Amino acid sequence: DSGVTQTPKHLITATGQRVTLRCSPRSGDLSVYWYQQSLDQGLQFLIQYYNGEERAKGNILERFSAQQFPDLHSELNLSSLELGDSALYFCASSVGGAPYGYTFGSGTRLTVV
Amino acid sequence: GQQLNQSPQSMFIQEGEDVSMNCTSSSIFNTWLWYKQDPGEGPVLLIALYKAGELTSNGRLTAQFGITRKDSFLNISASIPSDVGIYFCAGQRAGRSGNKLVFGAGTILRVKS
Repeated sequence: DSGVTQTPKHLITATGQRVTLRCSPRSGDLSVYWYQQSLDQGLQFLIQYYNGEERAKGNILERFSAQQFPDLHSELNLSSLELGDSALYFCASSVGGAPYGYTFGSGTRLTVV
Repeated sequence: GQQLNQSPQSMFIQEGEDVSMNCTSSSIFNTWLWYKQDPGEGPVLLIALYKAGELTSNGRLTAQFGITRKDSFLNISASIPSDVGIYFCAGQRAGRSGNKLVFGAGTILRVKS
């Protein structure tokens, strides 16, 4: 157990729908990162939050949004889902600030049908 | 898209053989990291490198941070069946824009027992 908790583990939904993925960071970590992993694109950085504030943005679509709450858990919202959004979505956390590697959760596998 | 070139894409080796994989970039990174991902799990940090020229070992794993800060390699000695998985290199730049990691496309390692 890495200490980073992601729910749900699997999600199947239809095109056009909206889903919310949840992440609880490791105890003491202030930064949360979201990554998308698909077969043809590898691990793509989506967005980072640090202590409730957006810190960095990557290749995140406008249909996607995220937030980090006061208790430091984070949610990634995916709307108007398309078939191509099917992927593994990983959350990672770190203490933040220092150039250390992240700790990843086990991911949420999203299948859009 | 990916900013790191990781090679080889996949390897199929005999148990007991040594393995080598590397990552190159056109950009300089402050930190190089190597992760392993098992099926259905998130990437797990194997080795972190913080200084150009640094050579670090973790059991049968050895990694080096290239002197130009634009490359890194990972060696696995005397491979065993549980080494199977996907190995990712990642580069990190610490700065005002956050601590996002940029990942290579991964090296799939298959070990023939």
